[in-house]
Amino acid sequence: GEDVEQSLFLSVREGDSSVINCTYTDSSSTYLYWYKQEPGAGLQLLTYIFSNMDMKQDQRLTVLLNKKDKHLSLRIADTQTGDSAIYFCAESMRSYDKVIFGPGTSLSVIP
Amino acid sequence: KAGVTQTPRYLIKTRGQQVTLSCSPISGHRSVSWYQQTPGQGLQFLFEYFSETQRNKGNFPGRFSGRQFSNSRSEMNVSTLELGDSALYLCASSPRDRKNTGELFFGEGSRLTVL
Repeated sequence: GEDVEQSLFLSVREGDSSVINCTYTDSSSTYLYWYKQEPGAGLQLLTYIFSNMDMKQDQRLTVLLNKKDKHLSLRIADTQTGDSAIYFCAESMRSYDKVIFGPGTSLSVIP
Repeated sequence: KAGVTQTPRYLIKTRGQQVTLSCSPISGHRSVSWYQQTPGQGLQFLFEYFSETQRNKGNFPGRFSGRQFSNSRSEMNVSTLELGDSALYLCASSPRDRKNTGELFFGEGSRLTVL
């Protein structure tokens, strides 16, 4: 079956690194995504990783994928107050398949 | 390029009524997906339309339906509204062919309250 799990809350101090974790159940998932939702807005893609990759870095964002454990993480370096938002992990088997989202992790950044 | 536009942004209905929500995708995008977002259930996939055909479907009752027009605009309809249908309904568009990453571009949502 398809299911994506995340912890619901994370609180970090400004300037620290944030690590948001996600586990998924569908081993055939090929595309794994991180989306961000700010208050009152829709979701916006932050980054994605293909299942044949272990790591992807994009400026302050680092995505790590452990395919054996079906574990995905998003690290935000030098977290800023503007990073406070809900972060969703999502998976899809193919680029044209439905995208299944986790429950979202609410990140609070303490000044 | 204009983003995904959803109308109306807010609406209030009573139990038993029906509602129609509209979504205009980004120009050139042929896929439109609909999601229901609630605090308890998170983002639940409703359905996806591609070139006027329903391509994927979630696990919602038949009261939830949708369609897509030739210009890729999409509507979703919920009949016989229940209190539990109160949610933010998000629409997302995508080129969604084999060549791209399947990124979804979301609208700001339609907030439905059922009294």
